[in-house]
Amino acid sequence: SQQGEEDPQALSIQEGENATMNCSYKTSINNLQWYRQNSGRGLVHLILIRSNEREKHSGRLRVTLDTSKKSSSLLITASRAADTASYFCAPSGSRLTFGEGTQLTVNP
Amino acid sequence: GAGVSQSPRYKVAKRGQDVALRCDPISGHVSLFWYQQALGQGPEFLTYFQNEAQLDKSGLPSDRFFAERPEGSVSTLKIQRTQQEDSAVYLCASSPRRRGITNTGELFFGEGSRLTVL
Repeated sequence: SQQGEEDPQALSIQEGENATMNCSYKTSINNLQWYRQNSGRGLVHLILIRSNEREKHSGRLRVTLDTSKKSSSLLITASRAADTASYFCAPSGSRLTFGEGTQLTVNP
Repeated sequence: GAGVSQSPRYKVAKRGQDVALRCDPISGHVSLFWYQQALGQGPEFLTYFQNEAQLDKSGLPSDRFFAERPEGSVSTLKIQRTQQEDSAVYLCASSPRRRGITNTGELFFGEGSRLTVL
């Protein structure tokens, strides 16, 4: 089962700015999921995008998927301090595997 | 509760001690996963259950690790003769769907059990 690789490893922005995180993977997928993990907590599912979808929105989240480039991006608009967390992508497979994530810090 | 519950939240063990970590998945969830997360790393897959059947244990790092889900609900991850390298957060996740060959649906995670081996 493959894992995604998130980029950048760390991102620090000011409240109100947009945050973009990228994910690359190696083999074809049926879907790709994004999760958030606050410090000391479990992972929380954010959004799932299927391989036949190019873009999906959920509140302040926008996810894109480019299967030809085997990449996905997660955009958080109008960021808040509460968005500070690690973000993981998980390309579908028989098991969900995770990379090392992007640590996002939103400064008030 | 409505979510995945794990206990204990924190466990300190002396090297060589056996530990048992418990996971209560969301009621009715068919699939149950265990992950190990070292500090600053992403979660690493350990094992997968579909109901009471352990269908994948390829991620268990050694034969000191053992997991069970005898009645298809509560699961226990047991680590025998703990070593310092076992120090990590152990995450349990459940899903209402069976795991597909090429597809896994949304997982619901517990808060994890943080194990520190001295």
